[in-house]
Amino acid sequence: GDSVTQMEGPVTLSEEAFLTINCTYTATGYPSLFWYVQYPGEGLQLLLKATKADDKGSNKGFEATYRKETTSFHLEKGSVQVSDSAVYFCALTDGGFKTIFGAGTRLFVKA
Amino acid sequence: DTAVSQTPKYLVTQMGNDKSIKCEQNLGHDTMYWYKQDSKKFLKIMFSYNNKELIINETVPNRFSPKSPDKAHLNLHINSLELGDSAVYFCASSQESGIPSEQYFGPGTRLTVT
Repeated sequence: GDSVTQMEGPVTLSEEAFLTINCTYTATGYPSLFWYVQYPGEGLQLLLKATKADDKGSNKGFEATYRKETTSFHLEKGSVQVSDSAVYFCALTDGGFKTIFGAGTRLFVKA
Repeated sequence: DTAVSQTPKYLVTQMGNDKSIKCEQNLGHDTMYWYKQDSKKFLKIMFSYNNKELIINETVPNRFSPKSPDKAHLNLHINSLELGDSAVYFCASSQESGIPSEQYFGPGTRLTVT
């Protein structure tokens, strides 16, 4: 079945550092890919998405490119802030009613 | 305006009790979900309803029973609560129109069973 694997955390960075959170997937079809973010004490919210190969999703300085050849959707940000501290979830959906979530990666950003 | 709301936000109860969590969405979506998030933040789908019809029912003890009185509401009733039911429960909604779409999550209900 479909699955999502993302790098284990926690990831600890200093403010203004470069961020990469790796995400790879397995799917039989052509899924849409998402990154969700969960701030402390809140529900998940969509950060960005890409619906087909080579699409780049971007939002709030975060970017991720849908790479079909490597089945990856890595999340990047050039300069993180303390306010980016959260748990990040990679996810896919194949158009059915089910979204497959990765295990989440906790990010800590130090001032 | 709150898009997806859940009540209560916190629920502390004893083993063996029965409790309910309510969820409402005002987005006009046709699909709603219940997820369980454990202490390690792992998110597990429990149920999904599309137009009030149950379409996803993962391996969940039958002590858990969802109810969707209309498209905007999806409630979760839990019988005979156990210590292992302690978790954060999230409701979510989406509009499934043949094009994969994102889900909108509620703020969560933290359930503690003592």
